[in-house]
Amino acid sequence: GENVEQHPSTLSVQEGDSAVIKCTYSDSASNYFPWYKQELGKRPQLIIDIRSNVGEKKDQRIAVTLNKTAKHFSLHITETQPEDSAVYFCAAMNSGGSNYKLTFGKGTLLTVNP
Amino acid sequence: GAGVSQSPSNKVTEKGKDVELRCDPISGHTALYWYRQRLGQGLEFLIYFQGNSAPDKSGLPSDRFSAERTGESVSTLTIQRTQQEDSAVYLCASSRGGVVRAYEQYFGPGTRLTVT
Repeated sequence: GENVEQHPSTLSVQEGDSAVIKCTYSDSASNYFPWYKQELGKRPQLIIDIRSNVGEKKDQRIAVTLNKTAKHFSLHITETQPEDSAVYFCAAMNSGGSNYKLTFGKGTLLTVNP
Repeated sequence: GAGVSQSPSNKVTEKGKDVELRCDPISGHTALYWYRQRLGQGLEFLIYFQGNSAPDKSGLPSDRFSAERTGESVSTLTIQRTQQEDSAVYLCASSRGGVVRAYEQYFGPGTRLTVT
């Protein structure tokens, strides 16, 4: 089955700096890679996703890059703000089969210091 | 429209008792997932329902755990003979499913289970 590794487990940055979280996956058939944000005490919410037919996707201060050859993808947050503080989870899925199950990484606790 | 709802929001039970957790997915969502999240930990997949297909039970940690789903609506996660290590937040999520290539999972608020 799929295995997703996520690094780092914790990340502390100063407000205004950039933050990068990296994930690797094991199943070369995986083709859908979402990122979820979970604020303290709240439910996870999708913030951005990318499919394997593109290498990069951007949404305002958030971007995700995908390297299919190396089987890794990364979340980039620029101009970080205190409200970006949360746990971020990456995930991978093979949407070509009939099982639409996401395999999640273990999460990264991002702290943005004002 | 309404999001994913779960009940109860909190459940305290004694070791050895059975518990039932309920999830109401978003109407029209064919896929439903259950996850367990221990304090400060990641999302541990438990079980996945997709339409009328046989559920993917590969994440259930033991035979004390089971889940059912009625058609494409309500799901119930049952934990029998609860143990202290079952204490966690149990999250339910639903998605429109692969038919429309809509994979975003919408999570419920979770049920916090405490086994004393």
